[in-house]
Amino acid sequence: EDKVVQSPLSLVVHEGDTVTLNCSYEVTNFRSLLWYKQEKKAPTFLFMLTSSGIEKKSGRLSSILDKKELSSILNITATQTGDSAIYLCAVPPEYNYGQNFVFGPGTRLSVLP
Amino acid sequence: DSGVTQTPKHLITATGQRVTLRCSPRSGDLSVYWYQQSLDQGLQFLIQYYNGEERAKGNILERFSAQQFPDLHSELNLSSLELGDSALYFCASSIHPGGGSDEQFFGPGTRLTVL
Repeated sequence: EDKVVQSPLSLVVHEGDTVTLNCSYEVTNFRSLLWYKQEKKAPTFLFMLTSSGIEKKSGRLSSILDKKELSSILNITATQTGDSAIYLCAVPPEYNYGQNFVFGPGTRLSVLP
Repeated sequence: DSGVTQTPKHLITATGQRVTLRCSPRSGDLSVYWYQQSLDQGLQFLIQYYNGEERAKGNILERFSAQQFPDLHSELNLSSLELGDSALYFCASSIHPGGGSDEQFFGPGTRLTVL
């Protein structure tokens, strides 16, 4: 069964700290991995990583895909209180094979002032 | 604002009842996904439709059903409701049929409370 695991499940840091969130996956027919940020409402898209695009960066956020280790990390530098959210990692289905869209449990990040 | 709309925003009902949740995807998006998010289960994929046809199925109970209409809006029907069905139900949309090729845009969710 396809599986996505995230660690840590919860993290509390102070503003200015750098954090690394981890996501590992066990899926058949891997095509891409998505990172989402969920604050009080709906998840919002951060990055999509594929075999041809294994590193993405946007401002203080960056993400790397390690296909050999079947994992990805999301880095946030110089954290701000606005970064407090649940960060979700997901592996979408290969529709030709009828896979399910699998989300990890999320990492709850709290950034204290 | 993602461009995905969901109604109603909140729904409170009793056990045994049936409800319908509605989703309108972003303009131009052909795929609609339904998710259930509860405190102890995280975000669970239920079902995906692409251009009116079921594309992928997840952990959707037999008491639940969905469909996508010709105008691409989608409805999720939940029947014989149980207390454990209380959750936040999200709809998301994307352009392509396969989730591996593009991102999904999430609606604001419908919070269902079953008493």
